[in-house]
Amino acid sequence: DTAVSQTPKYLVTQMGNDKSIKCEQNLGHDTMYWYKQDSKKFLKIMFSYNNKELIINETVPNRFSPKSPDKAHLNLHINSLELGDSAVYFCASSLTAGGEKLFFGSGTQLSVL
Amino acid sequence: GNSVTQMEGPVTLSEEAFLTINCTYTATGYPSLFWYVQYPGEGLQLLLKATKADDKGSNKGFEATYRKETTSFHLEKGSVQVSDSAVYFCALSVGQGAQKLVFGQGTRLTINP
Repeated sequence: DTAVSQTPKYLVTQMGNDKSIKCEQNLGHDTMYWYKQDSKKFLKIMFSYNNKELIINETVPNRFSPKSPDKAHLNLHINSLELGDSAVYFCASSLTAGGEKLFFGSGTQLSVL
Repeated sequence: GNSVTQMEGPVTLSEEAFLTINCTYTATGYPSLFWYVQYPGEGLQLLLKATKADDKGSNKGFEATYRKETTSFHLEKGSVQVSDSAVYFCALSVGQGAQKLVFGQGTRLTINP
């Protein structure tokens, strides 16, 4: 069983479309994250939720909206996709908000054409 | 601000060679330091960590020592195996509260038999 699973693995779409990436963790963790890996391979945090509450919200366009229906799920919805949104998006979780050990999903490669 | 710089990849070695992947950091305060590894097709996973100066983290034959004087946390392994082929990420976190890991850009390592 995959601990942190995200879908889809690959997403190819046109500019202007709206798309969602889903993430689920079966570890019983309280905290979940979204990271973006840019073209230079740097991983940067976007959002973090603890028990369904937003606790980290980095400088991200408001076209990106995370949604956490329960503490095992953290989905990422992106409106009006732009070329610059092309990247690999990683979901992660940790036992608590201060937990140092993060468990990552295998990533979603988003390509905006 | 806080940042992590890793040696550029890709790195290609033969089996049983000695490995060093350099990592230096800039941080305000006293960071904890980490190495994460991403095997093909999988998410990142914590490899080792060190939380204070002169600490040595170790796991699976890999080691890294927290050097405050040189602000470094280089990853080493005495004899690499083909199964060590992966992307390695150096990271730091500073302070309490919500986890906000700052990652380097990753170094792709390929081990040839």
